[in-house]
This record gives sequence, structure tokens and C-alpha cells, in this order.
Amino acid sequence: DVKVTQSSRYLVKRTGEKVFLECVQDMDHENMFWYRQDPGLGLRLIYFSYDVKMKEKGDIPEGYSVSREKKERFSLILESASTNQTSMYLCASSFERGASTDTQYFGPGTRLTVL
Amino acid sequence: AQTVTQSQPEMSVQEAETVTLSCTYDTSESNYYLFWYKQPPSRQMILVIRQEAYKQQNATENRFSVNFQKAAKSFSLKISDSQLGDTAMYFCAFMKRSGGADGLTFGKGTHLIIQP
Repeated sequence: DVKVTQSSRYLVKRTGEKVFLECVQDMDHENMFWYRQDPGLGLRLIYFSYDVKMKEKGDIPEGYSVSREKKERFSLILESASTNQTSMYLCASSFERGASTDTQYFGPGTRLTVL
Repeated sequence: AQTVTQSQPEMSVQEAETVTLSCTYDTSESNYYLFWYKQPPSRQMILVIRQEAYKQQNATENRFSVNFQKAAKSFSLKISDSQLGDTAMYFCAFMKRSGGADGLTFGKGTHLIIQP
């Protein structure tokens, strides 16, 4: 089974703090993604990566950055957390396009509260 | 840009009934994938079913099937013999197939409640 894990289920931070959300997948997937989920808005793509050290902006990248130093790990960074970044954050991974499936597999999510 | 619309914020049916969740999308792409994901209270997002746009045959997975109408840009999910464990948020999602990695565009979700 594909396994995508996220470092924390719940996280509480203060405004202005630097926040790291970590995601690890164990299926040697090339692609990894970060989404945020808010009630009534569904999931929105923040950033994704198709290879080590490669990244692409999604629909809502403002206020976020990412890091992918190893294939299995993809980090989401909030340089200076703000209250409007309080949300559920979901990580996902998938095989490279052209393989038999482009299905994205999701982690359990991190509920971040910024006070 | 793509948009995905789920017009039913919440639905409730009795156990063993059949229920259909609606989804429409808007795109100028000709090659794409469509997905239905389920998110139970545990929050783990689980793939329910997937459809390649170039395939005319509707996808099925056990009790789950889709009605894919490409011209109408409609992608509804039918759940037969519904069970209590089907209670969850259901998200319809779109992904273009144009080379290279790409993210999913999600609808806002439908909260499905199966009543005993």
C-alpha cells in the first residue's frame, strides 16, 4: 500500500513564527503536492514538485515556500505564519505522468492553528 | 483554468438506498482525468473512482459507478446499496493530461450522510 505520512496531526503556532510541515512518501513517487483545505472552499493547490529540488507554484502560493531535498520528502514552509493560514494542510504524491496511473495518494493531514 | 462545481453541499439517505452525487466541470482541455475522492471523519482522503476522459465507458468500482457525459461536462457518482461507512465528504476533482506533473482542481465537496 502507498503510504504518505505527515509529521503532525495538530499544530498550534504563534503569529510571525516560521512553521515547517513535513511530508514523507514511501513509494518512490516523483510528484508531491501540498494542498490546503478550508470549509466551503474544498482543497486548493499551494505548490507541487515533480523532482528533487524542482517546484512549481499552484493556485495559492502566496505566503508559502517549499523544499524538496530528497525524493521521498516534501516540506511546506510558512516563513511568517499569519492567522489566515489557519487551515488543514494535506500532502499528496503520485507517479510521474505517463505511468499507468496519475492517481494522487494523500496523507492524513495537519490541522494548523495560528494564534 | 479549470473549475469544478458540486451543487449539493449536503445529502442524506437511508441505508441500502442508492444515491447520486453531481459534479460539473468547465475546461478547454481535451485530455484529462476526473476523480471522486472520499474523506471520512478520520480525514484520510481516499480515492473512490477515476475516469479517463478519452474512455467512453463509465468507470465502476464495486458499489460505485460514474455517469460521465463529456459533451455536457458532467461527472456524477452513483453509490448503490449505501452503507453507514459511506458517510463522508465526497470531492470531485479534475486533472489535465498535458505532459508533466499537475495538481488536482477540486470541487467544494458534498457531505453525504447515510442514516440507519
